[in-house]
This record gives sequence, structure tokens and C-alpha cells, in this order.
Amino acid sequence: QMQLQESGPGLVKPSETLSLVCDVSGDSIRGSTYYWGWFRQPPGKGLEWIGACHYTGTTYYNPSLKSRLSITVDVSENQFSLQLTSVTAADSAIYYCARVRGGSGWYSDPWGQGTLVTVSS
Amino acid sequence: QSVLTQPPSVSGAPGQKVTISCTGSSSNIGAGYDVHWYRQFPTTAPKLLIYGDTKRPSGVPDRFSGSKSGASASLTITGLQADDEADFYCQSYDISLRGPVFGTGTKVTVL
Repeated sequence: QMQLQESGPGLVKPSETLSLVCDVSGDSIRGSTYYWGWFRQPPGKGLEWIGACHYTGTTYYNPSLKSRLSITVDVSENQFSLQLTSVTAADSAIYYCARVRGGSGWYSDPWGQGTLVTVSS
Repeated sequence: QSVLTQPPSVSGAPGQKVTISCTGSSSNIGAGYDVHWYRQFPTTAPKLLIYGDTKRPSGVPDRFSGSKSGASASLTITGLQADDEADFYCQSYDISLRGPVFGTGTKVTVL
């Protein structure tokens, strides 16, 4: 059974870079029909798509974050990563990684358990 | 940044039926993209409940059903149970975003 697990610092200072890694187990990240996505959810609020990548390196970014965002995939380690630069308090959220099925609608399953990132000095 | 609108809350007594609406636009649901639904219990990650408008992943009971018409979709829960209390989110693909877009979320309360 495929599982995803996010890891990274829980506290990031304003203006610095948020870096997270998603480890994929139970299946290879090298699947042509899937993307690998990042999502976030401020505590008590709704879900937001951050971006996604394909194992070939193709990326898709939320336009509102694109200028600060980088998502990369490491096939050899079966993981993918998120970097968000120049963070502010507005970037504080629970960050989730998930496998994204392409096609009509792009649904996500399964999801990692999520990791809380707080931006504060 | 949600562009799919859901009612903030719905409620019902055990055994009753509740329906959650999800209203989009011509750049997402109305453009023909599939609608998916997720259920999220407190302090846990979202979990896929319905995909492709009407399909249930393995293990999801048939008390949960989805439908779509035009630029809107609905999730219906029949035979409401106490452990159905959770937040529910619809999701589709948005042409402008070039990626997934979520609904505002609906909290289901069992009276």
C-alpha cells in the first residue's frame, strides 16, 4: 500500500526559505499517469493547491505562488521536494503531499499525514 | 483562493439524508472537468471519498454518492451516522489555475 510522509522544519523565520520533502513508499514515483503534488491548509481553513511535478521533471505551479516556488523530484530516492522562498506569516499552514491522478479533474489519493509549518521569528 | 462554493455547514439526524452542494463556473466544473470529494476528520489529512463525479474508491460505503449537473455538483450522504461528522471538500480542475481547485468546505453535523 502506497504511503507518503512529509518531513522538514516546523518553524521557519520570515523572509527565509521553507523546504519540505515527501518520501514515497510502497510504489515507485516513476509512474507515467501520476503527478506528485503539494497542498496546504492554514489551521481552521480550507485547502489550497501549491503545485505538482511529474517524475520526468515537468512542473505545474499555482500562479499565486509561482514566483517563490520550486518543486523537484528525485527518482533515485523515490521522493519529491518543495521549496518556497521569502516566506511570511501567511505561509503558515499544514503542508500535505499527495499522489495526483491526471486526466479530467486531477484527484489526489493517497495523502501524507501533513506537517505543520509555522513562520515566525 | 477557493473558487468552488459550498455551504459552510449542513446537519441532520441519524438515519437522515444530507446533501452538500458545490458550485463552480465555466472555468472548472462548467467546462466539463470531473468533480471529486474528500472527507477530513479533525487533525487528519483529507481522504478521497468520491472521484470522477460519481465513483467510490474501494472501501467507501454506498451511502455516499456524487452527482454533477452543469457547473454544479453534489455529495449526498444517506443513512447519516454519528461518525460521519467531518469536513467535506469538493475539488475540480480549473483552466485559469491550470491545476486543482477546492471548494470552501462544509462541516457536517449529526444532531
